Amino acid sequence: EDQVTQSPEALRLQEGESSSLNCSYTVSGLRGLFWYRQDPGKGPEFLFTLYSAGEEKEKERLKATLTKKESFLHITAPKPEDSATYLCAVVGSSNTGKLIFGQGTTLQVKP
Amino acid sequence: ETGVTQTPRHLVMGMTNKKSLKCEQHLGHNAMYWYKQSAKKPLELMFVYNFKEQTENNSVPSRFSPECPNSSHLFLHLHTLQPEDSALYLCASSQPLRGVSQETQYFGPGTRLLVL
Repeated sequence: EDQVTQSPEALRLQEGESSSLNCSYTVSGLRGLFWYRQDPGKGPEFLFTLYSAGEEKEKERLKATLTKKESFLHITAPKPEDSATYLCAVVGSSNTGKLIFGQGTTLQVKP
Repeated sequence: ETGVTQTPRHLVMGMTNKKSLKCEQHLGHNAMYWYKQSAKKPLELMFVYNFKEQTENNSVPSRFSPECPNSSHLFLHLHTLQPEDSALYLCASSQPLRGVSQETQYFGPGTRLLVL
């Protein structure tokens, strides 16, 4: 059964304090791993798609990396506007089209 | 700015009411999805439509009835709901890819539903 676990559940950082969010996954035949950002009361906003181990993608202060068992979302010198819930999801070959989501990591960045 | 819109944004209904949620995508995609997001739980896939045909029903109770008249519009008809159905209902769309890679899904802002 495809499964995604995100840690930590919540993270508080001071502005400028870099850190990483973890997404551990179990999937048969990874077809894609996705990172989304969700603000309160809004829908998830797409950030990155990773397809194979070793792949990395960057966008402003965010960098996503992928291994065969987990993905990290690195946040460099975060700002208060980076505060949000970050969601990780995977699709496996046995569940084409079905995103399996983790519970998310809620990030709070204090000024 | 999202290319997926949802109406209404908020809905309060009694258990005997009938209501519908609407989703429209302006991205030219051919796949559309309904998800449910409850507090403290991961997003749960409900239904999938590919080229207007339903391809997935994730064991959703029959009080939820989807409709996809064309590739740009998706509805979720609600009737005799229960209080535990209160949640954020999210619509998403994607463009199916050929090959082994999974396409990205883009989400709308959601409808916050409260069942009294």
